Amino acid sequence: DAKTTQPTSMDCAEGRAANLPCNHSTISGNEYVYWYRQIHSQGPQYIIHGLKNNETNEMASLIITEDRKSSTLILPHATLRDTAVYYCIVTFNNQGGKLIFGQGTELSVKP
Amino acid sequence: DAGVTQSPTHLIKTRGQQVTLRCSPISGHKSVSWYQQVLGQGPQFIFQYYEKEERGRGNFPDRFSARQFPNYSSELNVNALLLGDSALYLCASSHDRAGNQPQHFGDGTRLSIL
Repeated sequence: DAKTTQPTSMDCAEGRAANLPCNHSTISGNEYVYWYRQIHSQGPQYIIHGLKNNETNEMASLIITEDRKSSTLILPHATLRDTAVYYCIVTFNNQGGKLIFGQGTELSVKP
Repeated sequence: DAGVTQSPTHLIKTRGQQVTLRCSPISGHKSVSWYQQVLGQGPQFIFQYYEKEERGRGNFPDRFSARQFPNYSSELNVNALLLGDSALYLCASSHDRAGNQPQHFGDGTRLSIL
């Protein structure tokens, strides 16, 4: 079973920030938090990952709480092309490549 | 650089047949993982191969098998196909097995069983 809990769906206005929450209350010290998204009919796309510190790249920012029990993915200026299912995943170091996907959050960006 | 490539993109088979799906990882990536995604659900882990050896296996029957070649490409084989095997089969590659190495996915092979 997935070790994360995400809202089933969210809406966001185009041009606004999209903040996608994820709960991972049973995360252990050596588990990473990963975010992927999947646009219809395509494979999942890697967005960002982190262990303890907040991370930022050209796509998004990842904010991890100090106790590491939850995180938020931030898309700073959402566009219609960001409409997708977003998956939050926790994974062990050296887990052998096993990503456990939950149901994810279906983000709809509206004009 | 080319991403993960999978072939074929679509495939139609009948019950009882066998199928082979192919995956070429990103250049320099030594780890390949396979996932099955049925409609409306998230991908489910099937196998991981690293340096040509199986390093992880999900909860799938023995009808599913895979291998990795010296050039790190991989094949997924499914025997005795069932209607329930209809799904999108995804391949992902990463540089190595470490948890801090993101996996990058191809766009999958859509398998339909009649």
